[in-house]
Amino acid sequence: QQQVKQSPQSLIVQKGGISIINCAYENTAFDYFPWYQQFPGKGPALLIAIRPDVSEKKEGRFTISFNKSAKQFSLHIMDSQPGDSATYFCAASGYGGATNKLIFGTGTLLAVQP
Amino acid sequence: ETGVTQSPTHLIKTRGQQVTLRCSSQSGHNTVSWYQQALGQGPQFIFQYYREEENGRGNFPPRFSGLQFPNYSSELNVNALELDDSALYLCASSFGGNNEQFFGPGTRLTVL
Repeated sequence: QQQVKQSPQSLIVQKGGISIINCAYENTAFDYFPWYQQFPGKGPALLIAIRPDVSEKKEGRFTISFNKSAKQFSLHIMDSQPGDSATYFCAASGYGGATNKLIFGTGTLLAVQP
Repeated sequence: ETGVTQSPTHLIKTRGQQVTLRCSSQSGHNTVSWYQQALGQGPQFIFQYYREEENGRGNFPPRFSGLQFPNYSSELNVNALELDDSALYLCASSFGGNNEQFFGPGTRLTVL
């Protein structure tokens, strides 16, 4: 019930294309869903996050789509660039105290080809 | 505004030894969480510290322990190191129960 399932494991996209990464969760107590970007040898960087009261959030080229009934959420990277090549992790948590621990997906390695 | 910092960057230990990793939280943050990231995996929650008390723990044995200091910095201690403890150890800071957690660069621990 604590798992967050992420797909695909790896993704190759041409420059200018759209990258789509999907995640699914089981625990309906989760109410915060962030995406992190991680470059080799670095810590994860918070990219964008959403709460279940909205179905979509956009920040620049990055959009989260959220489907509460299906317990799924996805990251869309528009106009993908070679600099976006990194590992992307979805995560989920509840609010407050120990419940704000992040449960991470297994990651998606994105390669954007020039 | 100072981000999350961790030390050391890299560390090599042998099986059975003990290790201490350090983390300074982002300015204004009073909560520190520690995560273990094995190669090719997502980070796994170890424990969290809030107001110098452990505030939740993941599925890690007691040989993983921690401290938080009055300035909100934190230490992660691992005793009796095992080969499987080789990983990137990440510290994340946040404010209170706020979900937004900001990660440091991590400490790469290698156990031989």
